[in-house]
Amino acid sequence: DAGVIQSPRHEVTEMGQEVTLRCKPISGHNSLFWYRQTMMRGLELLIYFNNNVPIDDSGMPEDRFSAKMPNASFSTLKIQPSEPRDSAVYFCASSRRQGRVPNEQFFGPGTRLTVL
Amino acid sequence: GEDVEQSLFLSVREGDSSVINCTYTDSSSTYLYWYKQEPGAGLQLLTYIFSNMDMKQDQRLTVLLNKKDKHLSLRIADTQTGDSAIYFCAEIHQAGTALIFGKGTTLSVSS
Repeated sequence: DAGVIQSPRHEVTEMGQEVTLRCKPISGHNSLFWYRQTMMRGLELLIYFNNNVPIDDSGMPEDRFSAKMPNASFSTLKIQPSEPRDSAVYFCASSRRQGRVPNEQFFGPGTRLTVL
Repeated sequence: GEDVEQSLFLSVREGDSSVINCTYTDSSSTYLYWYKQEPGAGLQLLTYIFSNMDMKQDQRLTVLLNKKDKHLSLRIADTQTGDSAIYFCAEIHQAGTALIFGKGTTLSVSS
């Protein structure tokens, strides 16, 4: 199993540009989570989906952030326009209801975003 | 509130035991978890405990749960330099919802 796949692994962009982060969850998983990690705020949940439907997006910082899950094997997190304070590592994770360990989340390797 | 709290840093010598503590606020949490994050990587499940248990042991790891005080701890015996990482405590209130993570404890092991 390839695990959760995220792309790109690193992204450097300039303020004002649009950024799109991509995630492919583990096949068969029905929940997908987007997190942001910074030194100051630690690990923050941005949004999560169950069966491709957004359940809780209260962690999305502002309207510049949007996330979609058009099908069970793909999700995007978009920032438009990007700002320097968006610099962070963004993680995607997936899980399934009836796993070996209840509610276990499997994390991708993350995308390190730097906005200049 | 729903905050899971942990101390931010712990420094130990190789071979000593490490104890990482966590407090959570929701007594209805069914499962509690410890995740490990190595440098440059995502989080990985280390161990977990069901809320009706007091203790769980897995090789060098011992998890203790005090439901009355809403306190969870992770003990690592014979700590090695490879145990240096960030350790996250997490709880879940209801199946199908998101885990609630603490801010993580950075464990530094010196030889």
